Amino acid sequence: EAGVVQSPRYKIIEKKQPVAFWCNPISGHNTLYWYRQNLGQGPELLIRYENEEAVDDSQLPKDRFSAERLKGVDSTLKIQPAELGDSAVYLCASSLSANEQFFGPGTRLTVL
Amino acid sequence: GENVEQHPSTLSVQEGDSAVIKCTYSDSASNYFPWYKQELGKGPQLIIDIRSNVGEKKDQRIAVTLNKTAKHFSLHITETQPEDSAVYFCAASIFPNDYKLSFGAGTTVTVRA
Repeated sequence: EAGVVQSPRYKIIEKKQPVAFWCNPISGHNTLYWYRQNLGQGPELLIRYENEEAVDDSQLPKDRFSAERLKGVDSTLKIQPAELGDSAVYLCASSLSANEQFFGPGTRLTVL
Repeated sequence: GENVEQHPSTLSVQEGDSAVIKCTYSDSASNYFPWYKQELGKGPQLIIDIRSNVGEKKDQRIAVTLNKTAKHFSLHITETQPEDSAVYFCAASIFPNDYKLSFGAGTTVTVRA
C-alpha cells in the first residue's frame, strides 16, 4: 500500500515569494492534516480536513496561508507571501476518521 | 489547550542498554497517548500508543506506561539497537472527539555501538 505522498521534498525561495505544497493521502483516508514542524520541535497542526471540508483551521495563519482539498482527495497548502519565519518542514498526514495518523515525508521549506 | 512536555531532549545509550523517555501533559481530559519515531528525512511513524483505560502496554522491546493521576507517561525501549537511533515524539489527544495531536518537543536517541 502506498503511503502519503508529498511534493516537492525540498523548496528554497526568497521572502515575499509564493510557494505551494502538494499532498496525496493514502487511498480511502477521509481525514487529511497539514502540520508544520519547526527545527527541534514536534509537529503543530495547521488544518484538518474531513473529506473536502476544513473542520479545524484555527491554527492556520489565514493572512498568508491557504489550503484546499478539492474532491476530498489531494490537498494543496499555499503560502503567499512567504516570510523568513515560515522556514520549517510541512508535513501532511491522513487517517481513516479518528484512527492512526500516517505521515508523509514532508516538504522542507527554506525562506531566504 | 493541551501542553505536552518531554524529557530528556537528547539521550545517548550503549547498545543493549535501556532507554526511557518521559512526558507530562496538562489536560486531564486527554485519553490517548501515541509515541512516534522520526528518522532523518522521514515523517513520524507511530510505534506504540496507549489509552487511558490501560496502565501499561508492551510490544516486543517497546513498552509504554501511563499514570493518569500524575498526568505523565513514559516510553521504555529495552535491548537498544543501532536502528533505534531516531527522534521520538510523545503526543496526547482526546479520542475520539478531538483529532488534534499535541506533540512534545522530541527526544533525540543515539545508540552507541
